Amino acid sequence: QQQVKQSPQSLIVQKGGISIINCAYENTAFDYFPWYQQFPGKGPALLIAIRPDVSEKKEGRFTISFNKSAKQFSLHIMDSQPGDSATYFCAASRGSARQLTFGSGTQLTVLP
Amino acid sequence: DTGVSQNPRHKITKRGQNVTFRCDPISEHNRLYWYRQTLGQGPEFLTYFQNEAQLEKSRLLSDRFSAERPKGSFSTLEIQRTEQGDSAMYLCASSLSPSNTEAFFGQGTRLTVV
Repeated sequence: QQQVKQSPQSLIVQKGGISIINCAYENTAFDYFPWYQQFPGKGPALLIAIRPDVSEKKEGRFTISFNKSAKQFSLHIMDSQPGDSATYFCAASRGSARQLTFGSGTQLTVLP
Repeated sequence: DTGVSQNPRHKITKRGQNVTFRCDPISEHNRLYWYRQTLGQGPEFLTYFQNEAQLEKSRLLSDRFSAERPKGSFSTLEIQRTEQGDSAMYLCASSLSPSNTEAFFGQGTRLTVV
């Protein structure tokens, strides 16, 4: 059962453009929604996270938009740079255990 | 402390052999998680520890898999009688609960079963 669906699978953006990655979840018990960035051969690293009591969170060039009623959230990367080229995963967790349920990933390529 | 450390980074084994991976979490972190990531997919939860207690195991963790965290410090993940389907990246993460939800991941151990 895929509880977090992520799209697109791959994304190509020009330098300076906006990268947008979308996720949808099914379990309304989820209460923590992080985004992770993963470079080849490395483990995932937390970029930014949001809780469902806010609709948007911004940290530098990265913004999460959250729509609780639609059960959707998205990552916006402003002024995309070639160094942002990586695989991005959305995730969700709930309860005290906090194990993460990940989306299938988006491979982002930012062209110079 | 340089973060979560996993060893070995790569392991090639023959089908049917046993393998063991080690994870050293960030020193003050009381929670430790194991995930498995196959090519082109997101990590999938396997199990987690609160200190030395193993509190939850995924259905993905078959009887051939066992994890331990003696003394609540490092953890080991053992796979017995490896199968080709076990080939994956095994990731360890740690966090400080309940005050902080952020999980820090290690670089993983890539297992190839031939």
